[in-house]
Amino acid sequence: DQQVKQNSPSLSVQEGRISILNCDYTNSMFDYFLWYKKYPAEGPTFLISISSIKDKNEDGRFTVFLNKSAKHLSLHIVPSQPGDSAVYFCAASPNRDDKIIFGKGTRLHILP
Amino acid sequence: NAGVTQTPKFQVLKTGQSMTLQCAQDMNHNSMYWYRQDPGMGLRLIYYSASEGTTDKGEVPNGYNVSRLNKREFSLRLESAAPSQTSVYFCATLPTSGSNEQFFGPGTRLTVL
Repeated sequence: DQQVKQNSPSLSVQEGRISILNCDYTNSMFDYFLWYKKYPAEGPTFLISISSIKDKNEDGRFTVFLNKSAKHLSLHIVPSQPGDSAVYFCAASPNRDDKIIFGKGTRLHILP
Repeated sequence: NAGVTQTPKFQVLKTGQSMTLQCAQDMNHNSMYWYRQDPGMGLRLIYYSASEGTTDKGEVPNGYNVSRLNKREFSLRLESAAPSQTSVYFCATLPTSGSNEQFFGPGTRLTVL
């Protein structure tokens, strides 16, 4: 049973527009949520995180929104750039020192 | 600082062969992890080590063994490789304090024929 779900395997967005990547989770014990970005032939790199005490965290062009009641989080990228084309993984854990559960990823294509 | 390094980058094995994937970190992190990534499956945890000398099973430990002999190194061993173990393997580390951001190595692409 998938505890972290990314239901869109891929997403195409025009350069300059907003990219919205969605993630749902089932475990109400999750308190930390992270987004990782992965380019081909490289390891994942941390992008942004949010804890359950917040509903929004912003870092430059990247904003993560958390809706605990809906068990849903989203990553917004504004404006989208060609270098944002990558696979994005949503991840969650019950606490800082616990194992992280990853979603299956969403491949983002930024179109020129 | 090299961060997290993995060797080898690529490996082809025949069914039944054994090999060890190496991971080393120079960030003085306590926790280390081994994941595998398969198409459409995301990242799945194989084993992890919260500190030197301790290891625990993750989601998919069958067919693997690990060794954490010192703080820097965490190795993953396949005793008798199977085609189902064809995958990309990533090692990761977690800082002792602060955020729960894991740092990943570049990966080892393993093919078992």
